Amino acid sequence: TQLLEQSPQFLSIQEGENLTVYCNSSSVFSSLQWYRQEPGEGPVLLVTVVTGGEVKKLKRLTFQFGDARKDSSLHITAAQPGDTGLYLCAGGLNLIDGGSQGNLIFGKGTKLSVKP
Amino acid sequence: DAMVIQNPRYQVTQFGKPVTLSCSQTLNHNVMYWYQQKSSQAPKLLFHYYDKDFNNEADTPDNFQSRRPNTSFCFLDIRSPGLGDAAMYLCATSIRDRGRDTQYFGPGTRLTVL
Repeated sequence: TQLLEQSPQFLSIQEGENLTVYCNSSSVFSSLQWYRQEPGEGPVLLVTVVTGGEVKKLKRLTFQFGDARKDSSLHITAAQPGDTGLYLCAGGLNLIDGGSQGNLIFGKGTKLSVKP
Repeated sequence: DAMVIQNPRYQVTQFGKPVTLSCSQTLNHNVMYWYQQKSSQAPKLLFHYYDKDFNNEADTPDNFQSRRPNTSFCFLDIRSPGLGDAAMYLCATSIRDRGRDTQYFGPGTRLTVL
């Protein structure tokens, strides 16, 4: 069974603080996607990483894919109330790794609340 | 803009009354997925179509069916909704690419069962 452990599950911080969300697995992923979801809406893609060691930046958000492609992190600098939402990581597996091709393995999500 | 569209955004049905949710896409992606998401949980995959090939997840109840009449449209049919089927239903699309598929989600349909 492929699992993607996401932590922390809940995070409540003050505006201006930094935070990091982690996703870890024993499985090797072909890709790792991060989504942000607001209440009542669908997940919105933030980034896809595919190369071990890859780092991508999106304004105040920094995404890293582990060298072995088993883990990933999302770091937010100087969080703002607009960053509030559910952050989901999702790993893609190919047939070589035993997964259903194209299906995603989702972490349980991190519910972030940024207070002004 | 290319996108994934779900209609309706909110659906109310009665216990046991069949309901159909729809999804359309302008991305011309060959894969379409249906997920069920309950409050603050991760989406749970129900099934997906790779072109015309239907792939059901092992734990998806028989109560849930799907149709994909063409590339652009996909439907989720719930034959006899129970109270436990109240949830957000998400449609997603992707281009199959050796496990590097990026999935793009629609805004979801919130289903209420009375």
